[in-house]
Formats: sequence, C-alpha cells, structure tokens
Amino acid sequence: QSVLTQPPSASGTPGQRVTISCSGSSSNIGSNPVAWYQQLPGTAPQVLISKNYQRPSGVPDRISASKSGTSASLAISGLQSDDEADYFCSAWDDSLNVYVFGSGTKVTVL
Amino acid sequence: QVQLQESGPGLLKPSQTLSLTCTVSGGSINSGGFYWSWIRQYPGKGLEWIGYISYSGSTYYSPSLKSRVIISVNTSENKFSLNVTSVTAADTAVYYCARTDMGLGEAIDIWGQGTMITVSS
Repeated sequence: QSVLTQPPSASGTPGQRVTISCSGSSSNIGSNPVAWYQQLPGTAPQVLISKNYQRPSGVPDRISASKSGTSASLAISGLQSDDEADYFCSAWDDSLNVYVFGSGTKVTVL
Repeated sequence: QVQLQESGPGLLKPSQTLSLTCTVSGGSINSGGFYWSWIRQYPGKGLEWIGYISYSGSTYYSPSLKSRVIISVNTSENKFSLNVTSVTAADTAVYYCARTDMGLGEAIDIWGQGTMITVSS
C-alpha cells in the first residue's frame, strides 16, 4: 500500500480539464517538495512537475500543479489523446527516510 | 543531453545476486548537485525507490532493502551499479536507473529505459 494516495483512475473528453489528487502526511508532502511524473504506455516515467508546481522546459503550460498542507494536485487542461498515461506523485518522507511514490492514476481520454 | 542505459541479466534464480549497471552518456557522472538512483516498478505498476549515490560515493538506501542492497559508482567509466543479494520472486520488476536533481527538490529528471528482471526457479 502506497504512502501517497491517488485515485486509481480519472477520465475526460478531449478539451476538458482533469485533476488528480495526491494525499500524504506531515512527514512527506507536508514538509517536502512534490514531484509529478507521467508514464506513457511501455515507457519510463518522465518528470512533469518539480518543487510542487515548477514545470521543466518542454512541459506545456496546460499542465499545472499545486500543494496545500499534506495534499497536492495535478491538473491537465485541454485534454488530448496523448495525455492517456499513468501519473504518479512523489516526495521524500522524513519519517520513513525514503523517497515515496503515489499508487498512480490512469488517465483515460474518452 | 544526458542519457542513461541499464544493463543486466534479465533472468535470475531465487537466492542469486542481481547485478545491474547503468551507463551515463552525454554528461559526466561527476557533476555536482545530482544523485544517481535506482528505482523499480512492479508488474502491477507500483514504483519503489531503492536508493541513490553521489559521485563521491555517499549512499542512501531504502530501509526496507538496506540489508540486501549495495549501490556503487565508477566515475572513470561514468557508470554506477546496483547489487541486490538473495533475490526472491518479490524482486521481479522493471529496474530503472535515473538521475535525481537535488536542485529540483529531489525530482528524478532523467530515467533510463528500464530493464525487466525476472526471478524464477
């Protein structure tokens, strides 16, 4: 069972906005920066967001993220078929002394 | 552009030692501000952080794996390695080597393509 809790799935039609939540605790999200990763089918994860809301170069601005207390969220606006993937949140956990990942959310474009 | 490539055996028998190597190209492993990491992904898609190492050899391991894992670095060959002893079927996973950028809040900014490791008798 993952330390960071994500919904198993999310979906939307092309052009819609989809939001993915990530719930943690004071020892991880509450005290450390959050990163988000996208994993397209059959490929390695790629970073989408670092330090809670920062987009690396090349990540479109229709991808956004936020953090409040012990929870974080990722939003994908203008949903496209290319967005069909698994999405993972992550953070360092000060109590477990380990980098933890969420269980992953599969996004489906209807 | 930094790229990472894993190499390893693919198939192991229970109780054997898993040895994987990650070759870093397009940049130096001696670059400060980065840790060189190993992560695995189970068939059901869950990700597990194994540990990382700095270019100077400082290591950090997941407490749950610490007794069986060693990560080492070879700066002259621009490679780093993972050894996992006494493997069982529970170690079956895709293993990724990756770069952790400490300047990005420990985000993992570069991943290898991954290598499937199966433990079976």
